[in-house]
Amino acid sequence: KAGVTQTPRYLIKTRGQQVTLSCSPISGHRSVSWYQQTPGQGLQFLFEYFSETQRNKGNFPGRFSGRQFSNSRSEMNVSTLELGDSALYLCASSSGSTNEKLFFGSGTQLSVL
Amino acid sequence: DQQVKQNSPSLSVQEGRISILNCDYTNSMFDYFLWYKKYPAEGPTFLISISSIKDKNEDGRFTVFLNKSAKHLSLHIVPSQPGDSAVYFCAASAGQFGNEKLTFGTGTRLTIIP
Repeated sequence: KAGVTQTPRYLIKTRGQQVTLSCSPISGHRSVSWYQQTPGQGLQFLFEYFSETQRNKGNFPGRFSGRQFSNSRSEMNVSTLELGDSALYLCASSSGSTNEKLFFGSGTQLSVL
Repeated sequence: DQQVKQNSPSLSVQEGRISILNCDYTNSMFDYFLWYKKYPAEGPTFLISISSIKDKNEDGRFTVFLNKSAKHLSLHIVPSQPGDSAVYFCAASAGQFGNEKLTFGTGTRLTIIP
């Protein structure tokens, strides 16, 4: 079974630009979650999508948005990039049931210059 | 407000000895706890979990202990092996959100010395 796939692996953008990250979950998984990892902050929950609907949302500004398609693939968008958005963005998939473990992708490393 | 805290950013342990990683939490609504392991350039991988109705869960060399009154959990690795060198994240969830909204600690980098 293929794992969670995130593209691209690395991205360099400048302040003010926008970026779209992509995540393909494990086949059959209907839940996709996004996390931001920065040094010293651990992993911060962004949002979770289940069957094309946002089910949970973390405490991030509206510049961070996402969506999920009918095939469960998900995209995350960050508009008006700021230097502080530089981070590793991780996507995780699961079946969506309570306390089902998450399977993470390798992440997209975003650098904002 | 860091609801899940891993106060030791790093830990070094001799190969063959016990590694003990600690985690504290403040939110009494958390009822499910997990440990994830992360190698460089890879995403975190699930290691072991424990429900709040238990105080211990064991899986091979890995054991997680939960002390609800102290809001503390720990991960024991016995015996420690070089391949255990990684960053370990403690995570917690509240039942109403399920597993998808996990609150993570900041991680502990474990180095096993051969």
